[in-house]
Amino acid sequence: KQEVTQIPAALSVPEGENLVLNCSFTDSAIYNLQWFRQDPGKGLTSLLLIQSSQREQTSGRLNASLDKSSGRSTLYIAASQPGDSATYLCAVLPSGANSKLTFGKGITLSVRP
Amino acid sequence: ETGVTQTPRHLVMGMTNKKSLKCEQHLGHNAMYWYKQSAKKPLELMFVYNFKEQTENNSVPSRFSPECPNSSHLFLHLHTLQPEDSALYLCASSQGGGYYGYTFGSGTRLTVV
Repeated sequence: KQEVTQIPAALSVPEGENLVLNCSFTDSAIYNLQWFRQDPGKGLTSLLLIQSSQREQTSGRLNASLDKSSGRSTLYIAASQPGDSATYLCAVLPSGANSKLTFGKGITLSVRP
Repeated sequence: ETGVTQTPRHLVMGMTNKKSLKCEQHLGHNAMYWYKQSAKKPLELMFVYNFKEQTENNSVPSRFSPECPNSSHLFLHLHTLQPEDSALYLCASSQGGGYYGYTFGSGTRLTVV
């Protein structure tokens, strides 16, 4: 059974810092990995989707990498801003028929002005 | 309108009431999902529909009744709920089982009193 872990559960950094959020998963047989952002009480916004054949994806100040063999993904946020404060969720889609997205518990990020 | 739209955004209902949550997607996706997110808990998958046919029910109590009249619309009918059912209910959609990623709505914040 696929398990997704995100540690630490919470992170506080000063504005302007470059930071890395980690995600690990137990089974490397995946179709893709997706990073989401969730603001308090709101829905999930997709940030980046990495297919299993890809190593990384970039969007603006965000860069996500995928290492299937080690079961790891990182979300790199450059020059963090207070507006980046949110919960970041990592989710993997296991390979196989009728597979469902498996989520980590998320990392709550606070960027201090 | 694009993306996944959920209504209402907020709902307060008594334990004897009957209400419905609505989800609509304008992405041409063939699969739709209901998730429940309780405070301090990870996302829980409730129901899955593919081409308007239910393909998964994750042991959800019968007081939650989903309906999918077509691939673009999904409802969650609620009746005789309990206070512990208070949560954020999220709708999502995907194409091809999620290989191209999931898109989530903004959620309905449900409070049962």
